[in-house]
Amino acid sequence: EAEVAQSPRYKITEKSQAVAFWCDPISGHATLYWYRQILGQGPELLVQFQDESVVDDSQLPKDRFSAERLKGVDSTLKIQPAELGDSAMYLCASSPPRGGGRPGTGELFFGEGSRLTVL
Amino acid sequence: AQSVTQLGSHVSVSEGALVLLRCNYSSSVPPYLFWYVQYPNQGLQLLLKYTSAATLVKGINGFEAEFKKSETSFHLTKPSAHMSDAAEYFCAVGSGGGADGLTFGKGTHLIIQP
Repeated sequence: EAEVAQSPRYKITEKSQAVAFWCDPISGHATLYWYRQILGQGPELLVQFQDESVVDDSQLPKDRFSAERLKGVDSTLKIQPAELGDSAMYLCASSPPRGGGRPGTGELFFGEGSRLTVL
Repeated sequence: AQSVTQLGSHVSVSEGALVLLRCNYSSSVPPYLFWYVQYPNQGLQLLLKYTSAATLVKGINGFEAEFKKSETSFHLTKPSAHMSDAAEYFCAVGSGGGADGLTFGKGTHLIIQP
């Protein structure tokens, strides 16, 4: 069964350092999402891509976070510089495209996440 | 705008007892509703989804949920809890179409007592 791949699974870094997360969505999924999940809370959307274009990055802290999906396939989320409050699970998800006149179900397929600890 | 409220951050039931996790939603358009489960240090796995077909939705692992428009609710139930059901459960709402992000609730931690 196809899966969303994420790496690294775990990352420990010191504050003010740079950190990057990588995501490879399910093949053929045009839409890719990055969510942040703080311990004990639900996931919150950071950025949404449709192919290589950003659809929604209204909740992305753009002074320190950046995301790209240059060829419309895999994606990288970067934090520079990392702060203590960035400690969280970073989840990548993808969803299949609408097609054939049928609306999608909106189901998201999640990777296993990248857990970031900032010391 | 869409939002989800999950009542109870922690729910504890005995093994074999009924599981009921509550979810209320707010949406300006007909909603698509989802329940996801998350085990420690893992991603989210879809349990079930409502996409405007049958109001009673059956999912994996014996879970089901009923969409009640009049109550704006989508509560998750399972007749008999198993130890392996212990996990974090998230209700989510979307507007459908396959191109919109989901809005998640804060989650309910399900504890199973032996």
